[in-house]
Amino acid sequence: GENVEQHPSTLSVQEGDSAVIKCTYSDSASNYFPWYKQELGKGPQLIIDIRSNVGEKKDQRIAVTLNKTAKHFSLHITETQPEDSAVYFCAAPSGNTPLVFGKGTRLSVIA
Amino acid sequence: SAVISQKPSRDICQRGTSLTIQCQVDSQVTMMFWYRQQPGQSLTLIATANQGSEATYESGFVIDKFPISRPNLTFSTLTVSNMSPEDSSIYLCSVGGGEPNSPLHFGNGTRLTVT
Repeated sequence: GENVEQHPSTLSVQEGDSAVIKCTYSDSASNYFPWYKQELGKGPQLIIDIRSNVGEKKDQRIAVTLNKTAKHFSLHITETQPEDSAVYFCAAPSGNTPLVFGKGTRLSVIA
Repeated sequence: SAVISQKPSRDICQRGTSLTIQCQVDSQVTMMFWYRQQPGQSLTLIATANQGSEATYESGFVIDKFPISRPNLTFSTLTVSNMSPEDSSIYLCSVGGGEPNSPLHFGNGTRLTVT
C-alpha cells in the first residue's frame, strides 16, 4: 500500500516569509495529491490539490508542485500570515483506501 | 461541497461504556468514511460505511469494536464499544472519493476522552 512521508513535523516562520512543506509517496500509480489544513478544534479542510497531469498548481498565496519521477510533492505558502498557523497534512490514494495521510506539519507564523 | 455535521462534538466517557457518533450530510453521497485521529497524530481510516450493507473495515479495526450503520445516503453512525483510555481520539466522518482523483471532505469531528 501507499506510504506517505511528510516533513518537517514543525515549522516556524516570520510573518511575510514563505513556508514549504514536502511529502514523498511510494506508490507510483498514485495520481492525486491533496493538501489539508486543520485548525484547532476543526476537521481537516481541503486547501489545494493536484493531479498527475500537471506539475504545478497555484491558488493565490498557495501553490503545490509535483515531481512524479521523484515521487514527491510540496506545498508552498507565500507571504505567510498569522492565520496560516495550523497543522497541514498531505495525502495520496492507495488502492481501495481513499486517502493515506502524512503525519502532519505544525506551522507557526510569528507576527 | 457537502456540509457534514457530527454529533456529539465532544464527550467524556467512562471506560467500559459505548458511544455512538452520528454523521449527517446535507446531500446524498455515495461514499462515506470514518477516520480516527489520535492525539497529535495523523488520520487513519477505520472503515468505509456502505449503504445497505456491512461496512468495510481496515486492518486493525473490527466490527465488534467499531460497529457502523449507514441506513441511507445522507447518514451514518459509528459506535465505539467497550471503551478504554486508548480510544481517546478525534473521530472524523468524511465524504467523497467516489470518483477517481476526487477529494475527501471532513466534518469537524467528535473529540472523545475516555477516563
